[in-house]
Amino acid sequence: DQQVKQNSPSLSVQEGRISILNCDYTNSMFDYFLWYKKYPAEGPTFLISISSIKDKNEDGRFTVFLNKSAKHLSLHIVPSQPGDSAVYFCAASAGAGGGSQGNLIFGKGTKLSVKP
Amino acid sequence: ETGVTQTPRHLVMGMTNKKSLKCEQHLGHNAMYWYKQSAKKPLELMFVYNFKEQTENNSVPSRFSPECPNSSHLFLHLHTLQPEDSALYLCASSQNGRGPDEKLFFGSGTQLSVL
Repeated sequence: DQQVKQNSPSLSVQEGRISILNCDYTNSMFDYFLWYKKYPAEGPTFLISISSIKDKNEDGRFTVFLNKSAKHLSLHIVPSQPGDSAVYFCAASAGAGGGSQGNLIFGKGTKLSVKP
Repeated sequence: ETGVTQTPRHLVMGMTNKKSLKCEQHLGHNAMYWYKQSAKKPLELMFVYNFKEQTENNSVPSRFSPECPNSSHLFLHLHTLQPEDSALYLCASSQNGRGPDEKLFFGSGTQLSVL
């Protein structure tokens, strides 16, 4: 059973508007969450992360929100740009205890299309 | 340039062939990983190497055989694969393979098709 779920396979947004990508998890031991972005024919690249001791982390146009009680996190991109069109993967780790990065669990990804 | 280079980018092989995927990282990292991404599935971890030692084998069939001769190079040897092994194989590296905030740096992947 999937421990990290991205229930929307795709999302289409107009340039300049907000993009909201959602991720749900089931394992209450997860305490660190990451978003990776993947362009076609390239490997995923790290975008932003959040520790479970926080409920928000912001980096420029990208903000990740964490709701531990709901086991839900979301990535907000504002304003969205056509160059943001990519597949976004949510990932979670139970790594705060010093565990290996091999414990990183990925979702299936959401394909974001930002239209000019 | 991500610092992690994978070759070949594409590979088509028959079920009786033997081939190898190669990964090289130029980032000075000590941990390297093989991931598999099948269509409509999440990225799945296959193997982890820390300081050239295999620290995880995620129940991968023996027809996949990893090799890590040094901290910069990682191979995945393939033999007698099945059509369901067709997928994108991604190599990644990280600084030490420890700690939740350690980022993975991925290569562009090898798109494998098994006929």
